[in-house]
Amino acid sequence: SQQGEEDPQALSIQEGENATMNCSYKTSINNLQWYRQNSGRGLVHLILIRSNEREKHSGRLRVTLDTSKKSSSLLITASRAADTASYFCATDEGGKLIFGQGTELSVKP
Amino acid sequence: GAGVSQSPRYKVAKRGQDVALRCDPISGHVSLFWYQQALGQGPEFLTYFQNEAQLDKSGLPSDRFFAERPEGSVSTLKIQRTQQEDSAVYLCASSLKTGWEKLFFGSGTQLSVL
Repeated sequence: SQQGEEDPQALSIQEGENATMNCSYKTSINNLQWYRQNSGRGLVHLILIRSNEREKHSGRLRVTLDTSKKSSSLLITASRAADTASYFCATDEGGKLIFGQGTELSVKP
Repeated sequence: GAGVSQSPRYKVAKRGQDVALRCDPISGHVSLFWYQQALGQGPEFLTYFQNEAQLDKSGLPSDRFFAERPEGSVSTLKIQRTQQEDSAVYLCASSLKTGWEKLFFGSGTQLSVL
């Protein structure tokens, strides 16, 4: 089962532009996490936002959480070619961590 | 070790063959997770260990799938009588504490069943 649904499925931008990815989920959560996956590799944890937080920053990453709309967004500012990867949101549901389908980001130099 | 290590990196099996996939988590990590990832999809939960106890195996697709972590460190995912639909990347992850925060993933084992 997939809890989070990412939007868009794919995103292509130029280096230096900002990239925004959205995630919607269905049930109440304790926290929401974002992970990155480079092609052929495992996932890397980027950031965690708790249900009582509305916004969180980490370097060039900005995450927002709207529990009333059951949605979150991940903003990557001043993107670089090295940001090319798939990005997944993950939420805790029924005692397990459930991942969405992911957004495939391509940053062109 | 420095990170989560999985072996083999690639496995080709004939339909009906048994396979065993190994995961070495980060030393001292309490929690260990197995996920299955189909091409172009997000990881799907298989099972969860807290130390040597398997607390949740609700994601295992059939009784052909079996996982163990006998000493609370290394884990093995075994698939008996493999089928073509078992072809996927199998990801192992560990975390320092109990719960589901900040998982560290291995690079996965890509299983192809012919």
